[in-house]
Amino acid sequence: QQQVKQSPQSLIVQKGGISIINCAYENTAFDYFPWYQQFPGKGPALLIAIRPDVSEKKEGRFTISFNKSAKQFSLHIMDSQPGDSATYFCAASEKKTSYDKVIFGPGTSLSVIP
Amino acid sequence: NAGVTQTPKFRILKIGQSMTLQCAQDMNHNYMYWYRQDPGMGLKLIYYSVGAGITDKGEVPNGYNVSRSTTEDFPLRLELAAPSQTSVYFCASSLQTGTGAGELFFGSGTQLSVL
Repeated sequence: QQQVKQSPQSLIVQKGGISIINCAYENTAFDYFPWYQQFPGKGPALLIAIRPDVSEKKEGRFTISFNKSAKQFSLHIMDSQPGDSATYFCAASEKKTSYDKVIFGPGTSLSVIP
Repeated sequence: NAGVTQTPKFRILKIGQSMTLQCAQDMNHNYMYWYRQDPGMGLKLIYYSVGAGITDKGEVPNGYNVSRSTTEDFPLRLELAAPSQTSVYFCASSLQTGTGAGELFFGSGTQLSVL
């Protein structure tokens, strides 16, 4: 129940295309859903995040769509660029007494080809 | 402003050896974490700390120990290294706001191989 599922494992998109990464969760106690972007040799960095009371959040070319009833959320990257090539992790956070418990999905390796 | 600094970047250990992975942050964050990243597995929490002198186990603590004597530093100790500890280790910090939405700031990682 603590698991966050993520698909696909890898994705190849042409420059200018739309990249879509999907995630699903079971634990309804999760109340914050961030996406992290990781470039090779670097640590993950927060890209965009959403609360479950919002169905969509857009920041530039990046959009999170959230379906609370289905317990699914997805990341859309519009007009994908080679510089977007990275590993993307969805995550779900549950507020605990002492800390925020963050569960990460297994990651999606995105390659944007010219 | 360096953020989260991890040393070393790479290390090869022999089975049974011990080592300490160093982590320091200069953002005055109260929360610090150690994660390990294995291919296709995402990031798994090893240990976390909510402040100096306070640490607790995460999902995969076996074979590791931590200490937090200052706000800035959070070293991870591996005792009796085993091949199963071959992984990339990330230290992270966050400023907990009580909203459940604390952003994690990660270091660049330590790639450890146990042979």
